[in-house]
Amino acid sequence: GQQLNQSPQSMFIQEGEDVSMNCTSSSIFNTWLWYKQDPGEGPVLLIALYKAGELTSNGRLTAQFGITRKDSFLNISASIPSDVGIYFCAGHSGGSNYKLTFGKGTLLTVNP
Amino acid sequence: ETGVTQTPRHLVMGMTNKKSLKCEQHLGHNAMYWYKQSAKKPLELMFVYSLEERVENNSVPSRFSPECPNSSHLFLHLHTLQPEDSALYLCASSPGTGGHTRYGYTFGSGTRLTVV
Repeated sequence: GQQLNQSPQSMFIQEGEDVSMNCTSSSIFNTWLWYKQDPGEGPVLLIALYKAGELTSNGRLTAQFGITRKDSFLNISASIPSDVGIYFCAGHSGGSNYKLTFGKGTLLTVNP
Repeated sequence: ETGVTQTPRHLVMGMTNKKSLKCEQHLGHNAMYWYKQSAKKPLELMFVYSLEERVENNSVPSRFSPECPNSSHLFLHLHTLQPEDSALYLCASSPGTGGHTRYGYTFGSGTRLTVV
Protein backbone atom coordinates (compact mmCIF):
# COMPACT_ATOMS: atom_id res chain seq x y z
CA GLY A 1 0.00 0.00 0.00
CA GLN A 2 0.91 3.67 -0.09
CA GLN A 3 3.33 4.85 2.54
CA LEU A 4 4.51 8.26 3.63
CA ASN A 5 7.93 8.84 5.10
CA GLN A 6 7.83 11.85 7.36
CA SER A 7 10.99 13.38 8.78
CA PRO A 8 12.33 14.23 11.18
CA GLN A 9 10.56 12.13 13.81
CA SER A 10 11.20 14.79 16.43
CA MET A 11 12.74 18.23 16.76
CA PHE A 12 13.92 20.27 19.73
CA ILE A 13 14.36 23.94 18.94
CA GLN A 14 14.68 27.30 20.64
CA GLU A 15 11.90 29.83 20.49
CA GLY A 16 12.37 32.10 17.49
CA GLU A 17 14.02 29.49 15.28
CA ASP A 18 12.60 28.36 11.96
CA VAL A 19 11.50 24.75 11.47
CA SER A 20 11.27 22.56 8.40
CA MET A 21 9.77 19.08 8.04
CA ASN A 22 8.91 17.01 5.01
CA CYS A 23 7.09 13.99 3.70
CA THR A 24 7.97 11.76 0.79
CA SER A 25 5.91 9.09 -0.88
CA SER A 26 6.60 6.14 -3.11
CA SER A 27 3.53 7.05 -5.17
CA ILE A 28 1.86 10.16 -6.53
CA PHE A 29 -0.70 12.13 -4.56
CA ASN A 30 -3.15 14.70 -5.90
CA THR A 31 -3.66 16.43 -2.57
CA TRP A 32 -1.33 17.03 0.35
CA LEU A 33 -2.60 18.04 3.77
CA TRP A 34 -0.76 19.14 6.89
CA TYR A 35 -2.29 18.66 10.35
CA LYS A 36 -1.22 19.64 13.86
CA GLN A 37 -2.18 17.67 16.95
CA ASP A 38 -1.96 19.32 20.36
CA PRO A 39 -1.51 17.09 23.40
CA GLY A 40 -4.80 15.41 24.32
CA GLU A 41 -6.60 16.66 21.21
CA GLY A 42 -7.39 15.46 17.72
CA PRO A 43 -5.49 16.65 14.62
CA VAL A 44 -6.47 20.02 13.18
CA LEU A 45 -6.01 20.88 9.51
CA LEU A 46 -3.37 23.58 8.94
CA ILE A 47 -2.84 23.74 5.19
CA ALA A 48 -4.22 21.92 2.14
CA LEU A 49 -2.37 21.77 -1.19
CA TYR A 50 -4.04 20.79 -4.47
CA LYS A 51 -1.56 21.42 -7.30
CA ALA A 52 1.99 20.36 -7.99
CA GLY A 53 4.34 23.24 -7.23
CA GLU A 54 1.74 25.07 -5.13
CA LEU A 55 3.12 27.13 -2.27
CA THR A 56 0.59 28.11 0.40
CA SER A 57 0.95 30.11 3.61
CA ASN A 58 -1.12 30.25 6.78
CA GLY A 59 0.40 32.86 9.08
CA ARG A 60 3.89 31.71 10.01
CA LEU A 61 3.35 28.37 8.28
CA THR A 62 4.26 27.72 4.66
CA ALA A 63 3.78 24.44 2.83
CA GLN A 64 4.65 23.31 -0.68
CA PHE A 65 3.35 20.58 -2.96
CA GLY A 66 6.40 19.03 -4.64
CA ILE A 67 6.72 19.15 -8.42
CA THR A 68 6.97 15.37 -8.66
CA ARG A 69 3.75 15.08 -6.57
CA LYS A 70 5.59 12.64 -4.34
CA ASP A 71 6.65 15.05 -1.63
CA SER A 72 5.66 18.03 0.43
CA PHE A 73 7.28 20.19 3.07
CA LEU A 74 6.09 22.39 5.90
CA ASN A 75 8.03 25.36 7.25
CA ILE A 76 7.31 27.23 10.47
CA SER A 77 9.02 30.57 10.87
CA ALA A 78 9.90 32.30 14.14
CA SER A 79 8.62 29.45 16.32
CA ILE A 80 6.77 30.15 19.56
CA PRO A 81 6.01 27.86 22.53
CA SER A 82 2.45 27.17 21.35
CA ASP A 83 3.84 25.56 18.19
CA VAL A 84 4.56 22.50 20.34
CA GLY A 85 2.73 19.42 19.13
CA ILE A 86 2.78 16.66 16.55
CA TYR A 87 2.64 17.62 12.89
CA PHE A 88 1.24 15.12 10.40
CA CYS A 89 1.31 15.08 6.66
CA ALA A 90 -1.41 13.28 4.75
CA GLY A 91 -1.86 12.50 1.09
CA HIS A 92 -4.83 11.72 -1.08
CA SER A 93 -4.56 9.98 -4.42
CA GLY A 94 -7.65 11.59 -5.92
CA GLY A 95 -11.00 10.66 -7.34
CA SER A 96 -13.72 9.20 -5.18
CA ASN A 97 -11.21 7.30 -3.09
CA TYR A 98 -11.85 8.54 0.44
CA LYS A 99 -8.67 7.27 2.01
CA LEU A 100 -6.04 9.58 3.38
CA THR A 101 -2.56 8.18 3.92
CA PHE A 102 -0.91 9.67 7.01
CA GLY A 103 2.73 10.06 7.95
CA LYS A 104 3.93 9.00 11.41
CA GLY A 105 4.24 12.59 12.53
CA THR A 106 6.94 15.00 13.65
CA LEU A 107 7.02 15.85 17.35
CA LEU A 108 8.05 19.48 17.80
CA THR A 109 9.32 20.81 21.12
CA VAL A 110 10.01 24.54 21.47
CA ASN A 111 12.18 25.72 24.37
CA PRO A 112 11.28 29.23 25.57
CA GLU B 1 -22.13 23.04 19.85
CA THR B 2 -20.04 22.81 16.70
CA GLY B 3 -17.49 20.43 15.23
CA VAL B 4 -16.96 16.80 16.17
CA THR B 5 -17.57 15.77 19.78
CA GLN B 6 -16.35 12.51 21.28
CA THR B 7 -17.30 10.99 24.61
CA PRO B 8 -15.93 9.90 26.93
CA ARG B 9 -12.53 11.62 26.77
CA HIS B 10 -10.94 8.90 28.88
CA LEU B 11 -11.96 5.29 29.47
CA VAL B 12 -10.40 2.52 31.52
CA MET B 13 -11.93 -0.89 31.04
CA GLY B 14 -11.20 -4.47 31.96
CA MET B 15 -10.78 -7.15 29.33
CA THR B 16 -14.21 -8.62 30.08
CA ASN B 17 -16.08 -5.31 30.05
CA LYS B 18 -18.40 -3.97 27.37
CA LYS B 19 -18.28 -0.25 26.65
CA SER B 20 -19.14 2.14 23.84
CA LEU B 21 -17.48 5.21 22.40
CA LYS B 22 -19.67 7.95 21.01
CA CYS B 23 -19.05 10.51 18.29
CA GLU B 24 -21.35 13.30 17.18
CA GLN B 25 -20.79 15.81 14.40
CA HIS B 26 -22.62 19.09 13.95
CA LEU B 27 -21.17 19.97 10.54
CA GLY B 28 -23.77 18.45 8.24
CA HIS B 29 -21.17 16.03 6.90
CA ASN B 30 -22.16 12.78 5.22
CA ALA B 31 -19.14 10.64 6.01
CA MET B 32 -17.75 9.56 9.38
CA TYR B 33 -14.63 7.63 10.29
CA TRP B 34 -13.02 5.78 13.19
CA TYR B 35 -9.24 5.93 13.49
CA LYS B 36 -6.89 4.30 15.98
CA GLN B 37 -3.79 6.21 17.05
CA SER B 38 -1.03 4.26 18.78
CA ALA B 39 2.35 5.59 19.81
CA LYS B 40 4.93 5.79 17.01
CA LYS B 41 2.48 4.48 14.38
CA PRO B 42 0.60 6.25 11.60
CA LEU B 43 -3.09 6.82 12.11
CA GLU B 44 -4.90 3.56 11.33
CA LEU B 45 -8.24 3.75 9.54
CA MET B 46 -10.71 1.34 11.15
CA PHE B 47 -14.16 2.03 9.73
CA VAL B 48 -15.79 4.39 7.24
CA TYR B 49 -19.48 5.24 7.00
CA SER B 50 -21.03 7.16 4.15
CA LEU B 51 -24.67 8.20 4.63
CA GLU B 52 -24.99 5.65 7.45
CA GLU B 53 -23.74 2.80 5.28
CA ARG B 54 -20.47 1.11 6.13
CA VAL B 55 -18.15 1.36 3.16
CA GLU B 56 -14.94 0.18 4.77
CA ASN B 57 -13.99 -2.31 7.44
CA ASN B 58 -10.23 -2.26 7.45
CA SER B 59 -9.58 -5.79 8.77
CA VAL B 60 -10.54 -4.75 12.26
CA PRO B 61 -11.07 -7.54 14.86
CA SER B 62 -14.69 -8.32 15.65
CA ARG B 63 -14.24 -7.17 19.25
CA PHE B 64 -14.70 -3.68 17.73
CA SER B 65 -18.24 -3.16 16.44
CA PRO B 66 -19.27 0.15 14.82
CA GLU B 67 -22.75 1.55 14.57
CA CYS B 68 -23.98 4.57 12.61
CA PRO B 69 -27.68 5.20 13.34
CA ASN B 70 -27.71 8.46 11.33
CA SER B 71 -25.25 10.73 9.57
CA SER B 72 -24.59 12.76 12.73
CA HIS B 73 -23.79 9.94 15.14
CA LEU B 74 -21.22 7.18 15.20
CA PHE B 75 -20.55 4.61 17.90
CA LEU B 76 -17.79 2.11 18.51
CA HIS B 77 -18.89 -0.80 20.70
CA LEU B 78 -16.09 -2.55 22.54
CA HIS B 79 -16.05 -5.99 24.16
CA THR B 80 -13.40 -8.42 25.35
CA LEU B 81 -10.59 -6.09 24.39
CA GLN B 82 -6.90 -6.82 24.82
CA PRO B 83 -4.27 -4.60 26.48
CA GLU B 84 -2.74 -3.92 23.05
CA ASP B 85 -6.01 -2.22 22.08
CA SER B 86 -5.11 0.63 24.43
CA ALA B 87 -4.79 3.72 22.23
CA LEU B 88 -6.37 7.03 21.31
CA TYR B 89 -9.50 6.45 19.24
CA LEU B 90 -10.32 9.33 16.95
CA CYS B 91 -13.56 10.05 15.15
CA ALA B 92 -13.57 12.22 12.05
CA SER B 93 -16.09 13.49 9.55
CA SER B 94 -15.97 14.92 6.03
CA PRO B 95 -18.51 16.42 3.60
CA GLY B 96 -18.54 13.20 1.62
CA THR B 97 -16.20 10.33 1.05
CA GLY B 98 -14.63 12.36 -1.75
CA GLY B 99 -15.26 15.80 -0.29
CA HIS B 100 -12.52 15.65 2.26
CA THR B 101 -9.97 16.34 -0.42
CA ARG B 102 -10.98 19.97 -0.29
CA TYR B 103 -11.17 20.48 3.44
CA GLY B 104 -9.58 17.45 5.01
CA TYR B 105 -11.20 15.55 7.79
CA THR B 106 -12.50 17.27 10.89
CA PHE B 107 -11.35 15.25 13.86
CA GLY B 108 -12.79 14.98 17.33
CA SER B 109 -10.58 15.22 20.42
CA GLY B 110 -10.48 11.47 20.79
CA THR B 111 -11.11 8.93 23.53
CA ARG B 112 -8.01 7.76 25.41
CA LEU B 113 -8.72 4.06 26.02
CA THR B 114 -6.78 1.97 28.50
CA VAL B 115 -7.48 -1.77 28.70
CA VAL B 116 -6.37 -3.39 31.94
